[in-house]
Amino acid sequence: EDQVTQSPEALRLQEGESSSLNCSYTVSGLRGLFWYRQDPGKGPEFLFTLYSAGEEKEKERLKATLTKKESFLHITAPKPEDSATYLCAVQAGSGTYKYIFGTGTRLKVLA
Amino acid sequence: DAGVTQSPTHLIKTRGQHVTLRCSPISGHKSVSWYQQVLGQGPQFIFQYYEKEERGRGNFPDRFSARQFPNYSSELNVNALLLGDSALYLCASSSRWGPTEQFFGPGTRLTVL
Repeated sequence: EDQVTQSPEALRLQEGESSSLNCSYTVSGLRGLFWYRQDPGKGPEFLFTLYSAGEEKEKERLKATLTKKESFLHITAPKPEDSATYLCAVQAGSGTYKYIFGTGTRLKVLA
Repeated sequence: DAGVTQSPTHLIKTRGQHVTLRCSPISGHKSVSWYQQVLGQGPQFIFQYYEKEERGRGNFPDRFSARQFPNYSSELNVNALLLGDSALYLCASSSRWGPTEQFFGPGTRLTVL
């Protein structure tokens, strides 16, 4: 069964304290891996798309990487405004491209 | 540019009732997907439509149905509401068919009493 697991479930960081979030996946025929940020009561906001192992994407303090079994979202010198839930999703298969989301990592950055 | 819009923002229904949720995609986007998100969980895929045809369906009962109109807007219908249907319902649009990023609306918060 296709599955996406994110860890840790929750993470508290001091401002400036870098860390990484993990997304491991077990799917048949990965077509793409996506990272989203979600603020409370709002819809997810798109961050990155990764299509193949070895690919990396960067945006401000965030960097996403992809291997054959997992993806990491690295947060460098985070600020309080980076506090949010970070969701990982995969698209797999052919013909129908349903998204499978993980349960997310709730990040809290303290000033 | 307007993003994905959803209506209504909030909705309160009682068990057994029917509900219709609406979504307008980003201009030029032809694909719309629907998700259910229970508090503390990731979004669960319900349907995907592309060019007015159903292209994917998640593990939801037949009480859930959807359609896409010629202008690419979409409706999600849920019949015979259960308490467990209380959730945030998200609509997402994308520009093309296949593996690609999706852009989400703000969601409709449905409460079933």
